[in-house]
Amino acid sequence: AQKVTQAQTEISVVEKEDVTLDCVYETRDTTYYLFWYKQPPSGELVFLIRRNSFDEQNEISGRYSWNFQKSTSSFNFTITASQVVDSAVYFCALSEAQGNNRLAFGKGNQVVVIP
Amino acid sequence: DTGVSQNPRHKITKRGQNVTFRCDPISEHNRLYWYRQTLGQGPEFLTYFQNEAQLEKSRLLSDRFSAERPKGSFSTLEIQRTEQGDSAMYLCASSLDGRDGQFFGPGTRLTVL
Repeated sequence: AQKVTQAQTEISVVEKEDVTLDCVYETRDTTYYLFWYKQPPSGELVFLIRRNSFDEQNEISGRYSWNFQKSTSSFNFTITASQVVDSAVYFCALSEAQGNNRLAFGKGNQVVVIP
Repeated sequence: DTGVSQNPRHKITKRGQNVTFRCDPISEHNRLYWYRQTLGQGPEFLTYFQNEAQLEKSRLLSDRFSAERPKGSFSTLEIQRTEQGDSAMYLCASSLDGRDGQFFGPGTRLTVL
């Protein structure tokens, strides 16, 4: 069964600080995909990044970066130089190739960026 | 607008009434998913369609819930005899290939009084 754990609930940072969100996942599938979504106060889930289980290369996309480590089943996400517009709930999610790619979400991290 | 759309955006109903929500996916997407999100939680999977076929249903989907996707285009989610516990945000998502992630609509917020 697929499971995603996001331990922190609310994180407050001062604008321009970096913020890192932790995500730990469980899966029995060898082929799976990991995602980060952003849910601003408007409520719509916005796709941010995706990584598949065969590619542990960590990347940077603008102010977003991620650290995928299969050995520890972690998929952490960092926002560099945070801005007030980054205030939102961030969800880590997992889909399995054998599970019709339905998404299993963590409970989310509320990020508050203080100006 | 070429994104996923959902109607209505808000629905308030009395306990025991039936409600129906509609989702229009991105036009070329053959996969469609329904999720439910309660306050302070992540979305939870309800059901999945590939084209017009409903291929998976969660245990969360009681017999009061039914979903359809006629002709493999838009989808409807009906809840019969609503209960207060059904109050939640109902999210629809679509994708072309499950590996590439899902794109979500704005959701329908249901309040059962």
